Amino acid sequence: DAKTTQPNSMESNEEEPVHLPCNHSTISGTDYIHWYRQLPSQGPEYVIHGLTSNVNNRMASLAIAEDRKSSTLILHRATLRDAAVYYCILRGYSGNTPLVFGKGTRLSVIA
Amino acid sequence: DSGVTQTPKHLITATGQRVTLRCSPRSGDLSVYWYQQSLDQGLQFLIHYYNGEERAKGNILERFSAQQFPDLHSELNLSSLELGDSALYFCASSVGRTGGGTQYFGPGTRLLVL
Repeated sequence: DAKTTQPNSMESNEEEPVHLPCNHSTISGTDYIHWYRQLPSQGPEYVIHGLTSNVNNRMASLAIAEDRKSSTLILHRATLRDAAVYYCILRGYSGNTPLVFGKGTRLSVIA
Repeated sequence: DSGVTQTPKHLITATGQRVTLRCSPRSGDLSVYWYQQSLDQGLQFLIHYYNGEERAKGNILERFSAQQFPDLHSELNLSSLELGDSALYFCASSVGRTGGGTQYFGPGTRLLVL
């Protein structure tokens, strides 16, 4: 599986935008970029995914670099409830494959 | 609430014992995945079942086994337990072949081996 690299931790002020980066320089043409997050004492939850174009949903936005070697998860207004570990994961087209979790980025949100 | 249920929530047992963890996927989901999360290893994939058939194995020990039943619920059996098996065990379900493969995780079972 292609690897991803994320910062170990990031900090944000409440109600400020947060940009969580992910590098995936060995991404293949058919790999989708998925983001999951794990809130304290909970199972991981899906956030967003994309292939080439930027994507938006109610939780976040995903900005994908033109060469697809990096991406950024954007939380438009961080809340205390967004404090979690965020995982950037590459997956093939079929989607019927296990998730390979790295260490992720631990996001702290300060009131 | 993801729609995936896991029982029990907590389990405390002794070394050498055997336990069974149960997972009920979301209605309509055919795929069930099991993951283990420990402090030192992070989240690791154990095994994947699709519509009753084993599809993939990850870092699953020989002492561990799983199955998926006709009603699509799944059980993970852990035997000859060791201290190092103490961890959070998550199951996740997804539709399977289509839909982008979003996985929905249950709340987990916290296993403590003493």
